[in-house]
Amino acid sequence: EAGVVQSPRYKIIEKKQPVAFWCNPISGHNTLYWYRQNLGQGPELLIRYENEEAVDDSQLPKDRFSAERLKGVDSTLKIQPAELGDSAVYLCASSLGTVGRTDTQYFGPGTRLTVL
Amino acid sequence: ILNVEQSPQSLHVQEGDSTNFTCSFPSSNFYALHWYRWETAKSPEALFVMTLNGDEKKKGRISATLNTKEGYSYLYIKGSQPEDSATYLCAFIEGAQKLVFGQGTRLTINP
Repeated sequence: EAGVVQSPRYKIIEKKQPVAFWCNPISGHNTLYWYRQNLGQGPELLIRYENEEAVDDSQLPKDRFSAERLKGVDSTLKIQPAELGDSAVYLCASSLGTVGRTDTQYFGPGTRLTVL
Repeated sequence: ILNVEQSPQSLHVQEGDSTNFTCSFPSSNFYALHWYRWETAKSPEALFVMTLNGDEKKKGRISATLNTKEGYSYLYIKGSQPEDSATYLCAFIEGAQKLVFGQGTRLTINP
């Protein structure tokens, strides 16, 4: 069974440029998460989707970040415009969404973003 | 704001030696604790989900214990091998399904 797929794996852009990350979750997983990991820290949740609905986006910087999950499957996270402080690893994860708090989240390999 | 602390931040261990590290979390309103292993250039891999006080889980040479009353979990690796080199992350469940991660313990096994 394929795991969570993310692309691109690496992205280097100049500040003020836009950037987009794509995620394809594990088939049948209703819940999708986007995390950001800054250097030396643990991943932090940006947004969580239940099917198409964003149920927790309290940590998403809405002035420059946007996300969508069309048809409740693939998801795209966008930054426009990017700032130097956005350099980080962006992780996508998915889970069945039926078990609750012990639901295992399965992660993709992440996109390492460098903003120059 | 929840605080999940892991110690040490980094660790160098000789091949064959055993090692352990700690995850500390809030002891109130405990639901579950997750452990992940994250090797460089790969996806974080789920190791354990722990829910009960006194729980002990094992996967090969890796095991974990849980003390919810005092708010800590230990991860043990017996007979470290080079392939154990990775960052080990613990995450506390807050609210519905929100994982709050510690900063990780970066383990390097020296051959």
